[in-house]
Amino acid sequence: DGGITQSPKYLFRKEGQNVTLSCEQNLNHDAMYWYRQDPGQGLRLIYYSQIVNDFQKGDIAEGYSVSREKKESFPLTVTSAQKNPTAFYLCASSSAYYNSPLHFGNGTRLTVT
Amino acid sequence: QQQVKQSPQSLIVQKGGIPIINCAYENTAFDYFPWYQQFPGKGPALLIAIRPDVSEKKEGRFTISFNKSAKQFSLHIMDSQPGDSATYFCAASSFIIQGAQKLVFGQGTRLTINP
Repeated sequence: DGGITQSPKYLFRKEGQNVTLSCEQNLNHDAMYWYRQDPGQGLRLIYYSQIVNDFQKGDIAEGYSVSREKKESFPLTVTSAQKNPTAFYLCASSSAYYNSPLHFGNGTRLTVT
Repeated sequence: QQQVKQSPQSLIVQKGGIPIINCAYENTAFDYFPWYQQFPGKGPALLIAIRPDVSEKKEGRFTISFNKSAKQFSLHIMDSQPGDSATYFCAASSFIIQGAQKLVFGQGTRLTINP
């Protein structure tokens, strides 16, 4: 089955540690995205990538970093510089056609204490 | 100007009722308005979408109404069922960069359909 796999589902880290969230897709999509979901705030775009080896900052990129070395993979690193890292993180992908739907993974819930 | 405002934040409806979720936007460059449905512990999934050149779109029990002059759009769910209980997000986008789209999401509405 084609889809997006995010792992792990739950992640716990101590404050001050960097943590990397995995996102893999087998939909052959060119574009990939990372969103952060907080209660009452909807989904906010962290980073997106249209093509391998290229990515752009979204609306809340501070404290995060990404890489896109392979078409299938778009890992997100939450660094110690992110002031409020505890959240639900969603990865998505879409084809290159304008207004093609975003396909989301089932998310990773990160808790930093 | 990039915001999409969604209301209500939560909504409880009896089975068979017609829940209505409203969204408003400011940026007139937005030209695509999708709705996403999210069940607990899952990622959102596209439910239905509309472009501003039409005033209404129906897909099964779900209808989007679009008012371009008021810069508002809404989701109606006909004959609602307990299985429709989920969080619904409206969104808006405009052409930014080839190969990717920058969706702006509303705050979400948690819908509960009571049996």
